[in-house]
Amino acid sequence: ETGVTQTPRHLVMGMTNKKSLKCEQHLGHNAMYWYKQSAKKPLELMFVYSLEERVENNSVPSRFSPECPNSSHLFLHLHTLQPEDSALYLCASSQDGQENTEAFFGQGTRLTVV
Amino acid sequence: AQSVSQHNHHVILSEAASLELGCNYSYGGTVNLFWYVQYPGQHLQLLLKYFSGDPLVKGIKGFEAEFIKSKFSFNLRKPSVQWSDTAEYFCAVGGATNKLIFGTGTLLAVQP
Repeated sequence: ETGVTQTPRHLVMGMTNKKSLKCEQHLGHNAMYWYKQSAKKPLELMFVYSLEERVENNSVPSRFSPECPNSSHLFLHLHTLQPEDSALYLCASSQDGQENTEAFFGQGTRLTVV
Repeated sequence: AQSVSQHNHHVILSEAASLELGCNYSYGGTVNLFWYVQYPGQHLQLLLKYFSGDPLVKGIKGFEAEFIKSKFSFNLRKPSVQWSDTAEYFCAVGGATNKLIFGTGTLLAVQP
């Protein structure tokens, strides 16, 4: 248990569906992240929220829409996805602005787009 | 642009063999360096980290890594691996913002 909880653990969705991934952290951190983990590729940073404001969006397609209602919760809203979006989506949190900190990861949501 | 290269994508070792996984990075500034491990079916967890000071860093489970600034490297080592070390290992670099850039990962399989 890392203090970062992701739900659901597994998700299968059709290309016309709309679904959301949820992440919750219990560590008192002020920064949260979405990463995409695909086979044989580096972990890709998708979005960064610091103090509930989006501070980075790495050219992610608009079919992925993040939401950070407070410092403990992060969502990734999904709509009209493509099969190539199938991957493990990881949430992480850290204490931004503090030196020598580290990121803590959730167990991920395994997404399959059919 | 920041980048991390892990040279070995798949490593197979017998128990008690020594391990060294390569990691090179490209980053224009003060770096924080990390090795994360992902055991089968589990979350990414921190193995060890370097922020400053002694370039030889000791981590959990007998792992260590050496930061060589002149080579932009942060290789992971363990003198004697165990079957339970079978996992995927990720090198990562972060800067002042703590945003982590990861390598592609190295899948280690240890045969009993």
